Amino acid sequence: AQRVTQPEKLLSVFKGAPVELKCNYSYSGSPELFWYVQYSRQRLQLLLRHISRESIKGFTADLNKGETSFHLKKPFAQEEDSAMYYCALEVTDKLIFGTGTRLQVFP
Amino acid sequence: NAGVTQTPKFRILKIGQSMTLQCTQDMNHNYMYWYRQDPGMGLKLIYYSVGAGITDKGEVPNGYNVSRSTTEDFPLRLELAAPSQTSVYFCASVPSGGTAKNIQYFGAGTRLSVL
Repeated sequence: AQRVTQPEKLLSVFKGAPVELKCNYSYSGSPELFWYVQYSRQRLQLLLRHISRESIKGFTADLNKGETSFHLKKPFAQEEDSAMYYCALEVTDKLIFGTGTRLQVFP
Repeated sequence: NAGVTQTPKFRILKIGQSMTLQCTQDMNHNYMYWYRQDPGMGLKLIYYSVGAGITDKGEVPNGYNVSRSTTEDFPLRLELAAPSQTSVYFCASVPSGGTAKNIQYFGAGTRLSVL
């Protein structure tokens, strides 16, 4: 069965520390994976997708098919990165979301 | 462009009442989706539509109905509200082709309480 797992409900770091939000997936086909972010009082929006291979707001994510992972990383966290982050897997035009990780960045 | 617009923003219902959550988009997207978000549970797909006149069930369709008579609108109907339907509801739309394929554009959400 297709599944997305985000093992951490909450991740707290200090400003300037590295951040890694974990995402593992279960899917037999060729995966298309996304990270969505929801800042306080804003709507859910796309942060990045693996096929774009780009860095958005300093975040990157690499697809590791061997480990079935798509972890989100940033070398130096900023306070404005505090938000709810969701990993998602596309399956036949539908998205399967993980349960989300709340990132708190303290000053 | 307004993007994806959901109304109302908040609503309190009594058990057994019915209501329609409205969703409209002005981006000419073919695909539209309804999700519910329960605390700590992520987003669960209720219904989706790949175009006007076509709808299909998602993971948690029980207790809901949808219609898609136009490209722009995708209303979600609750016929007999139950406390288990207390949740935040999100509508999203997706262009069906091009470089933005599969990127979902979300509405601001409707917070519904059933008491």
